[in-house]
Amino acid sequence: NAGVTQTPKFQVLKTGQSMTLQCAQDMNHEYMSWYRQDPGMGLRLIHYSVGAGITDQGEVPNGYNVSRSTTEDFPLRLLSAAPSQTSVYFCASSYRGQITEAFFGQGTRLTVV
Amino acid sequence: AQSVSQHNHHVILSEAASLELGCNYSYGGTVNLFWYVQYPGQHLQLLLKYFSGDPLVKGIKGFEAEFIKSKFSFNLRKPSVQWSDTAEYFCAVNPYSGGGADGLTFGKGTHLIIQP
Repeated sequence: NAGVTQTPKFQVLKTGQSMTLQCAQDMNHEYMSWYRQDPGMGLRLIHYSVGAGITDQGEVPNGYNVSRSTTEDFPLRLLSAAPSQTSVYFCASSYRGQITEAFFGQGTRLTVV
Repeated sequence: AQSVSQHNHHVILSEAASLELGCNYSYGGTVNLFWYVQYPGQHLQLLLKYFSGDPLVKGIKGFEAEFIKSKFSFNLRKPSVQWSDTAEYFCAVNPYSGGGADGLTFGKGTHLIIQP
């Protein structure tokens, strides 16, 4: 099983450029989310989705857009990259339910110069 | 909003030493609790989880954690650490429908270094 797949693994952007981080899962999970990991800050929730067509903001949503047109995919868009968005980004997915756990992708290390 | 506090940001131990990493959370209702581990350059992996029942939970690689509701704590323990336990450890809570990917709150992490 592929699990949660993120692409690319590494990316360097110039300030003001746009890009999309891809996330796909093959486990038919209803829930998907994006986190960013910064040194000394742990992981912080950016956006999440509880199903196709439904998205919501997390703790740090500014500067990011998401959409969920299919169950499998949950792309994260940076419309105008800023140095403050330099981080490691993790996508996660899970089943819906009371007793469930999140599965994480391998991460995307993004540097904005 | 809920929050998670991990007491130790950096811990250095020798092999065979015992480990205890502290985790406290703030939330008035029922929560699901997790410890994740991140080995250098890798993604997060679930060590153990608590949803209900026995407050002493056992996870992979000899780790265990105890949920003390009155103290809002979920401390991670291992009796004898190995060099391969060198990693970043994260405590996380989810007060919603479960432990799913709809809103985990993480602590800031503890960087554990095991010296041979």
